[in-house]
Amino acid sequence: KQEVTQIPAALSVPEGENLVLNCSFTDSAIYNLQWFRQDPGKGLTSLLLIQSSQREQTSGRLNASLDKSSGRSTLYIAASQPGDSATYLCAASSGSARQLTFGSGTQLTVLP
Amino acid sequence: KAGVTQTPRYLIKTRGQQVTLSCSPISGHRSVSWYQQTPGQGLQFLFEYFSETQRNKGNFPGRFSGRQFSNSRSEMNVSTLELGDSALYLCASSLDSPAQETQYFGPGTRLLVL
Repeated sequence: KQEVTQIPAALSVPEGENLVLNCSFTDSAIYNLQWFRQDPGKGLTSLLLIQSSQREQTSGRLNASLDKSSGRSTLYIAASQPGDSATYLCAASSGSARQLTFGSGTQLTVLP
Repeated sequence: KAGVTQTPRYLIKTRGQQVTLSCSPISGHRSVSWYQQTPGQGLQFLFEYFSETQRNKGNFPGRFSGRQFSNSRSEMNVSTLELGDSALYLCASSLDSPAQETQYFGPGTRLLVL
């Protein structure tokens, strides 16, 4: 059974800082890994998807990496802004490609 | 292109009642998945439908059921509501294509059971 862990549970940084969010998973036989953000009371916004055959994906100030052998993924956020404040969730799909197993999230606060 | 829509956005029910939630996927998306989000358990997979067939099911009791229509719209039903069913119910859609596996989520339906 896939288990996904995110550390830390909460993170507070000053504006402009670069930061890394961590995600680990127990079953390396994943199909893909997705990173999402969730604003309070809202649904999930997809940020990046990394296929199992890929090592990283980039979108703007975001870069996600995937290391299946160690069961880890990281989300790098460059030059953080207050608007980046949200909960960031990683989700691994394994077995059935469309069943996502989510971590519990990292609540990020970027201070002005 | 319109995103995933869910109705209603908010619901208040009492224990023992039943509820039906609706999800309209992004145009062209044929896969629809449902998730339950609670503070204690986080996000948990309920089920996934494709071409009107349930293709995958999570570990939830039989009180939770769903269906998908020919236009890919999906509904989920919860019968005999319990207090613990209070949650945010999220629907996600995706293309059924190896090159396009991103799941797009709707805003959710917040259910409160009293």
